[in-house]
Amino acid sequence: DIVMTQSPDSLAVSLGERATINCKSSQSILYSSNNMNYLAWYQQKPGQPPKLLIHWASTRESGVPDRFSGSGSGTDFTLSISSLQDEDVAVYYCQQHYSVPLTFGGGTKVEIK
Amino acid sequence: EVQLLESGGGLVQPGGSLRLSCAASGFTFSSYAMSWVRQAPGKGLEWVSGINAGGGNTYYADSVKGRFTISRDNSKNTLSLQMNSLKIEDTAVYYCTKVFADHIWANVNYWGQGMLVTVSS
Repeated sequence: DIVMTQSPDSLAVSLGERATINCKSSQSILYSSNNMNYLAWYQQKPGQPPKLLIHWASTRESGVPDRFSGSGSGTDFTLSISSLQDEDVAVYYCQQHYSVPLTFGGGTKVEIK
Repeated sequence: EVQLLESGGGLVQPGGSLRLSCAASGFTFSSYAMSWVRQAPGKGLEWVSGINAGGGNTYYADSVKGRFTISRDNSKNTLSLQMNSLKIEDTAVYYCTKVFADHIWANVNYWGQGMLVTVSS
């Protein structure tokens, strides 16, 4: 199984400042035949289901604010929030969909400092 | 608008069975893979099972293999999860999810509101 390790477990960032979340896979999730990274990022606010933010590691989902960006390739990935807003308080998860079982990272809780 | 409406959750004793259903609307159900993802109280997300668009290929997490069965009825736009031999550790909110492609090796792009399953004596 591919293990997804997120860091940090939680972080507190001032309004308007950058938040950075890391996600590392135990093996490469870059599919060589199409050069795509099989990684997605989701946001989950309290009491709500998760919401897709980023797919293919760096493609922002339609309607997601451009302050959210994804980067990385192979085994190391990053989700950045360039200027944290109140509504960004949530838990963020990465997920690999490269191989079964599809696995999630443990989540990173983002709060306002 | 994509809608995924789960039903069938509730309280069940250890060793018991439960069947979750998910009524899908707002998209061509038969063209997309579907999956179930669960979240134990206060915990993270765990992928449980997936099924391709045609229903011919199914996949399971090791934690549920042999106990859970995923199925779909493309004529009724319905996804199901039959859960047998339930364990206390199966207690979770179960989400019905739509996958971005006709196979499961793609991200989820829509989630249902979730259905709580509680396994307790």
